[in-house]
Amino acid sequence: DAGVIQSPRHEVTEMGQEVTLRCKPISGHDYLFWYRQTMMRGLELLIYFNNNVPIDDSGMPEDRFSAKMPNASFSTLKIQPSEPRDSAVYFCASSPTSGRAEFFGPGTRLTVL
Amino acid sequence: TQLLEQSPQFLSIQEGENLTVYCNSSSVFSSLQWYRQEPGEGPVLLVTVVTGGEVKKLKRLTFQFGDARKDSSLHITAAQPGDTGLYLCAGAVYSGAGSYQLTFGKGTKLSVIP
Repeated sequence: DAGVIQSPRHEVTEMGQEVTLRCKPISGHDYLFWYRQTMMRGLELLIYFNNNVPIDDSGMPEDRFSAKMPNASFSTLKIQPSEPRDSAVYFCASSPTSGRAEFFGPGTRLTVL
Repeated sequence: TQLLEQSPQFLSIQEGENLTVYCNSSSVFSSLQWYRQEPGEGPVLLVTVVTGGEVKKLKRLTFQFGDARKDSSLHITAAQPGDTGLYLCAGAVYSGAGSYQLTFGKGTKLSVIP
């Protein structure tokens, strides 16, 4: 298995632009997680899905952030409009069981200028 | 408020030394996981502990879950440069409807000097 796949690996954009991050989880994993990592706040859970259904989005910072999972093999995290404080590394993770984000992707490093 | 406190935040040691890093909380966890993260990569799961007092060994790494399931420690024997990385602990709390919420500490950044 190729593991969790994320794209792009790096994204540089200007403030106000829309950003879409993509994730392909490991096949057969029912849980998908989106995390954000910064030096100041560490690794924070943004949202997670179970069988393509969003279960807990309380970590989504504000309405500018949205996430979808149209099928079991694909998820997106969108930021519109982006702001410099959104600069961080965004990780997608998947797991066959709840509460255990066992397999992380390589992350997308987002820089908003 | 940080639910999981990890200490020390930074640790730099010589190759061959032993070390222990800690993960503490006032909350009780259903399970606790340890990850290692290298620069430019995602965290990689090392171990999951579930039972209070549980001890798990992974080669030179020994993980212990506190009796009350509120804290954990990671001990590395004879550290090697390949152990360098960010060590993260994560606790799972039941959030209802059969689902668990996973919360991460900020990590201990370990540097092992050859």
